[in-house]
Amino acid sequence: SQQGEEDPQALSIQEGENATMNCSYKTSINNLQWYRQNSGRGLVHLILIRSNEREKHSGRLRVTLDTSKKSSSLLITASRAADTASYFCATDGGGGADGLTFGKGTHLIIQP
Amino acid sequence: NAGVTQTPKFQVLKTGQSMTLQCAQDMNHEYMSWYRQDPGMGLRLIHYSVGAGITDQGEVPNGYNVSRSTTEDFPLRLLSAAPSQTSVYFCASSDGWPSYNEQFFGPGTRLTVL
Repeated sequence: SQQGEEDPQALSIQEGENATMNCSYKTSINNLQWYRQNSGRGLVHLILIRSNEREKHSGRLRVTLDTSKKSSSLLITASRAADTASYFCATDGGGGADGLTFGKGTHLIIQP
Repeated sequence: NAGVTQTPKFQVLKTGQSMTLQCAQDMNHEYMSWYRQDPGMGLRLIHYSVGAGITDQGEVPNGYNVSRSTTEDFPLRLLSAAPSQTSVYFCASSDGWPSYNEQFFGPGTRLTVL
C-alpha cells in the first residue's frame, strides 16, 4: 500500500523559478526521504529528514516536515533545465528493517 | 567504485519462462532490496535482505525468489514469468536500514513478458 503521496502529479515551470512539491503520508514515521529520478535512470537520494527535524537544507533544496499534518514539502530554488525529473518521497511507516514505501512521484518539467 | 550494477538492462521473456536478474554492489552494504516500478504506481518493494543468508518478503513477493549468499550479490529470480511482471526492476543497497540511510539504486532492468 502507498504510504507517501506526492502532489502535484506534474508541474511545469520556467527556468529560474522555484518549484514546490508536497508529500502526505498516513502513519507515523522515523524519517522521510526525497529521491530524484531522471528519465530512464535509477533513483538518486536527495535528502533525509528525521521526524524530530522541521526543516533541512542542501544546496538549492529545502525540505520541511510537519509530523502533526503528516506532510512534507520539497522546494527547489532557482530551477535549472537539469532539474527536470520525477521526484519521490519515501517513508518507513515507523518500522526500520523494512524497505521504504515510495509515493507515485511528481514529474517536474523546467521550461528553458 | 561501480556502486550498484544490474544486468541485463533489457529483457524480453515469453510467458512461463524463468530468468534471473543480477544485482551486485561494491560498497560492502549489508542491506539490499529489490523494487519494481510500474507506470503510475511508484516503486513497490519485492524482497529485501539485511545481510548474507537473510532475506524477507516485501509488499509484492509473489512470483519472485531471492537468495543472498554473499554481501555483494542479491539476484532476483522469476520462477514462471507472467505478463503482470512486465515492469522496470531496481536493485538498491544501503549501509544500514533504509529508513535511516541513503539508498543507492542501480540503473534498472526493463523486463517485458509476452
